[in-house]
Amino acid sequence: DVKVTQSSRYLVKRTGEKVFLECVQDMDHENMFWYRQDPGLGLRLIYFSYDVKMKEKGDIPEGYSVSREKKERFSLILESASTNQTSMYLCASSLSAPGAYEQYFGPGTRLTVT
Amino acid sequence: AQSVTQLDSHVSVSEGTPVLLRCNYSSSYSPSLFWYVQHPNKGLQLLLKYTSAATLVKGINGFEAEFKKSETSFHLTKPSAHMSDAAEYFCVVRIGGGGNKLTFGTGTQLKVEL
Repeated sequence: DVKVTQSSRYLVKRTGEKVFLECVQDMDHENMFWYRQDPGLGLRLIYFSYDVKMKEKGDIPEGYSVSREKKERFSLILESASTNQTSMYLCASSLSAPGAYEQYFGPGTRLTVT
Repeated sequence: AQSVTQLDSHVSVSEGTPVLLRCNYSSSYSPSLFWYVQHPNKGLQLLLKYTSAATLVKGINGFEAEFKKSETSFHLTKPSAHMSDAAEYFCVVRIGGGGNKLTFGTGTQLKVEL
């Protein structure tokens, strides 16, 4: 089974702090994704990566950056956390093979910025 | 552009009665469609997927969905609801491009009552 793990389930940070969210997958997937989930809005894509050191902006990249130095690991960085970044953050991974489009999700990190 | 619309934000059923969660899609080509489930404080789990093979797709836990091109619909059904089905359900369409991105509906919260 594919396993996607996230470094923290719950995180509380102060406004202005630099925040790192880590995601690791163990199935050699090429693609990795970061989403945020807010009530009534579904999941919105922040950034994704289709290869090591490659990244592309999603729908809501403002205030975030990412890093992918190794295939299995994808980090989301909040350079200066703000209260409007309080949310549930979900990491996912998938293959690049045709037809294998489904994504596998980690358990999520609930981030609160005070 | 590819998108999905979940027609109900909340659905309530009695245990043992059928479940119907409605989803309409918009796509300029033959879509790949998915249903995911999210139990409280958990990540998303793939229920089933449609990728242009059989139009009736069977998933886990007794769920199934039917792809209807003429109606641009991909509704999720289950003949008999169980208490453990209470969760949030997301209809998802692949939007393609690099990384095989997906776009998510806003979710339907399913409540199952005794």
